[in-house]
Amino acid sequence: GENVEQHPSTLSVQEGDSAVIKCTYSDSASNYFPWYKQELGKGPQLIIDIRSNVGEKKDQRIAVTLNKTAKHFSLHITETQPEDSAVYFCAASKGPMGAGGGADGLTFGKGTHLIIQP
Amino acid sequence: NAGVMQNPRHLVRRRGQEARLRCSPMKGHSHVYWYRQLPEEGLKFMVYLQKENIIDESGMPKERFSAEFPKEGPSILRIQQVVRGDSAAYFCASSIDRDDTIYFGEGSWLTVV
Repeated sequence: GENVEQHPSTLSVQEGDSAVIKCTYSDSASNYFPWYKQELGKGPQLIIDIRSNVGEKKDQRIAVTLNKTAKHFSLHITETQPEDSAVYFCAASKGPMGAGGGADGLTFGKGTHLIIQP
Repeated sequence: NAGVMQNPRHLVRRRGQEARLRCSPMKGHSHVYWYRQLPEEGLKFMVYLQKENIIDESGMPKERFSAEFPKEGPSILRIQQVVRGDSAAYFCASSIDRDDTIYFGEGSWLTVV
């Protein structure tokens, strides 16, 4: 089955600096890569996603890049703010949008605890 | 438009008791998924259901765990004879269709004492 590795496990950056979180996946059939933000005591919230036919996607201060050949994808957050502090999870799936559960559904990384230092 | 609703948000059970976690999907969503999150871990898929049907339960432990999504009412994840290792956050998610984006609820935190 799919295996998703995520690094680093903890990332501390100064407010205003950029943060980069990286993930690798094992199954070349995976084609959908979402990123979730989870605040303490809350559920994961989808913040951005990318499909395998696209190399990069940007939404304001957040961007995701995908390298299918190397099987890795990254989350980039620019001009970080205190409210960006949270745990971020990457995921990969073979289903078009991550639904469907099981072997075709979402496989998550272990998460990155992002700390924004004021 | 309410999101995925889970209750209870926090549940404490003694070893050997039963835990029942409920999930109401987003309006219009008929596909429900349950995930478990252990401390410092990512989410692990447990089961995928549609109304009255279990589609994929490949992530469910073989014993003590069961799930249902009846024609009327919320989806229920049931854990019988809980053990300390069942302590975790249980997240429900839903989607309109199998090939659509899934949205997560706020989770139910189970503590077994």
